[in-house]
Amino acid sequence: ETGVTQTPRHLVMGMTNKKSLKCEQHLGHNAMYWYKQSAKKPLELMFVYSLEERVENNSVPSRFSPECPNSSHLFLHLHTLQPEDSALYLCASSRRQGGTEAFFGQGTRLTVV
Amino acid sequence: DQQVKQNSPSLSVQEGRISILNCDYTNSMFDYFLWYKKYPAEGPTFLISISSIKDKNEDGRFTVFLNKSAKHLSLHIVPSQPGDSAVYFCAGATNKLIFGTGTLLAVQP
Repeated sequence: ETGVTQTPRHLVMGMTNKKSLKCEQHLGHNAMYWYKQSAKKPLELMFVYSLEERVENNSVPSRFSPECPNSSHLFLHLHTLQPEDSALYLCASSRRQGGTEAFFGQGTRLTVV
Repeated sequence: DQQVKQNSPSLSVQEGRISILNCDYTNSMFDYFLWYKKYPAEGPTFLISISSIKDKNEDGRFTVFLNKSAKHLSLHIVPSQPGDSAVYFCAGATNKLIFGTGTLLAVQP
């Protein structure tokens, strides 16, 4: 248990569906991140939030929409996804933005059909 | 451009022997480097880090070596145990973490 909780653990959705991934941390961290892990690829950083403000958006398509309502919660809203978006989506948090140790959640395994 | 590269997708080692996982990087602005370990169906967990101003950091069975001139780092695990079997990710840090593709380590009993 790293202190970062993601729900759901698994999600299957159709290309026309809208769903949301949730991440919660109670570590008192100020930065939160969304990463995507696809087979045989590096962990890809999608979004960075620092003190609830989005500070980085790594050219992620608009069908992925993050939301950070407070320092403990982070959402990833999904709509009209493509099958190639199927991947493991990982949330992480760290004390501050940058190269400090990040704590990861267990991930949401997303399958788009 | 892949800034952090782990060229060995997998490594198999006998229990009790040394495991050496390698990582190369291209970004000279990284100010530190981290190793994460990932079991199936779990998120990565932090293992050990090293500042770019050091060349070695040791924590129990785990030692990370950094060769800045070669832009290379390695993780040594000794002695290796079956519970060490996992995917190991190397990451470089500036204002964010950039990860490699990971190396799957299998420690055979």
